[in-house]
Amino acid sequence: DTGVSQNPRHKITKRGQNVTFRCDPISEHNRLYWYRQTLGQGPEFLTYFQNEAQLEKSRLLSDRFSAERPKGSFSTLEIQRTEQGDSAMYLCASSLVGPGTQYFGPGTRLLVL
Amino acid sequence: AQSVTQLDSQVPVFEEAPVELRCNYSSSVSVYLFWYVQYPNQGLQLLLKYLSGSTLVKGINGFEAEFNKSQTSFHLRKPSVHISDTAEYFCAVSVGQAGTALIFGKGTTLSVSS
Repeated sequence: DTGVSQNPRHKITKRGQNVTFRCDPISEHNRLYWYRQTLGQGPEFLTYFQNEAQLEKSRLLSDRFSAERPKGSFSTLEIQRTEQGDSAMYLCASSLVGPGTQYFGPGTRLLVL
Repeated sequence: AQSVTQLDSQVPVFEEAPVELRCNYSSSVSVYLFWYVQYPNQGLQLLLKYLSGSTLVKGINGFEAEFNKSQTSFHLRKPSVHISDTAEYFCAVSVGQAGTALIFGKGTTLSVSS
């Protein structure tokens, strides 16, 4: 068990560019979650997968955002045409099915200039 | 809609003093409650959780919390804090039987000084 990993840890981009983040969950976990955290706020839920199926999406997830988990293992979160308001920490978490613990990765900090 | 309110944004305390971080939630259905800690430049780490059973929950690093259904609260306590407890603390709730998305409060910054 090596924990949840996220890459890259930091990303600086210019407004209008596309960015993609990767999350590798704990290997036996079939649920994977994406959250966004801005300064001074708690994490906000974006979306989650059970295996390869995307089961829930927050209204925060605009059409510029897309997430995939093609083989039920790692996941990617892509933001198209980035805006300055997308600057935030993007957190990934994984868990087993059920109401148990979500284990969080270290996050990817995005800065849009 | 479910929500979580952390009543104190900052709590300064002296080392070895007791501390309570307050959390209230709003939900009309069954909830599961969590406290996470975030140290600077690190990810969120689970301190403790309430899923069912005893309302007094013990977690790591000497923390405990009590689930009070009538007051819809889940306050976090520690009888004696250390400098190393300085961090951001988040209360979170998950609703429904499947327990999916976590709804977080805005966080409480605990600052422990000597």
